[in-house]
Amino acid sequence: QSALTQPASVSGSPGQSVTISCTAISSDVGSYFLVSWYQHHPGKAPKLMIYEVTKRPSGVSTRFSGSKSGNTASLTISGLQAEDEADYYCCSYAGVGTYVVFGGGTKLTVL
Amino acid sequence: QVQLVESGGGVVQPGRSLRLSCAASGFPFSRYGMHWVRQAPGKGLEWVAVIWYDGNKKYHAESVKGRFTISRDNSKNTLYLQMDSLRAEDTAMYYCAREYCTSLSCYVDIWGQGTLLTVSS
Repeated sequence: QSALTQPASVSGSPGQSVTISCTAISSDVGSYFLVSWYQHHPGKAPKLMIYEVTKRPSGVSTRFSGSKSGNTASLTISGLQAEDEADYYCCSYAGVGTYVVFGGGTKLTVL
Repeated sequence: QVQLVESGGGVVQPGRSLRLSCAASGFPFSRYGMHWVRQAPGKGLEWVAVIWYDGNKKYHAESVKGRFTISRDNSKNTLYLQMDSLRAEDTAMYYCAREYCTSLSCYVDIWGQGTLLTVSS
């Protein structure tokens, strides 16, 4: 079991908003928890969407936003579009021993 | 532009060795930490290893510790992953990725397209 827990799947219709959660179940991870989020289309390189919980890299749509409350971080995608259909992973530094952990991934389906 | 290109994947028998390479371009390679991340078929992303910008510190995931070794040659702008005693469960797409650090944290910002390793007899 990953130290970061995500729902296996979420879905939404075009134009709607969806939120993907990422919960740190390890206190080690929770103490660092400056989460980044990645979008991964099959066969392509993963793409950084959010870093340090809320920050968006240049070029990433403003429809993507991040937040955190306690040990749970969230990625919200508003105004869903067909091209948003992908797998999404959260990621966090986990301390010197483990270093980096990824969540199990969430498959987003645009209905 | 910033680019990472992995190579060296293929089909290898269990117990054998293989070395993956990742050629970096478009940025000052010697200033950045680098990671290997893999994705087994039908599974999620799994962090494999990290190496600091100067190669002086390396960390490996427990699942590969003692079998895999990350290294780099800054004169060649190339990252490596030496994989020994390969197992069927090492079958995966292997990505190299750049680590970007701010005053707050470090995170992976750029990924390669990956190279596929299949361990099978």
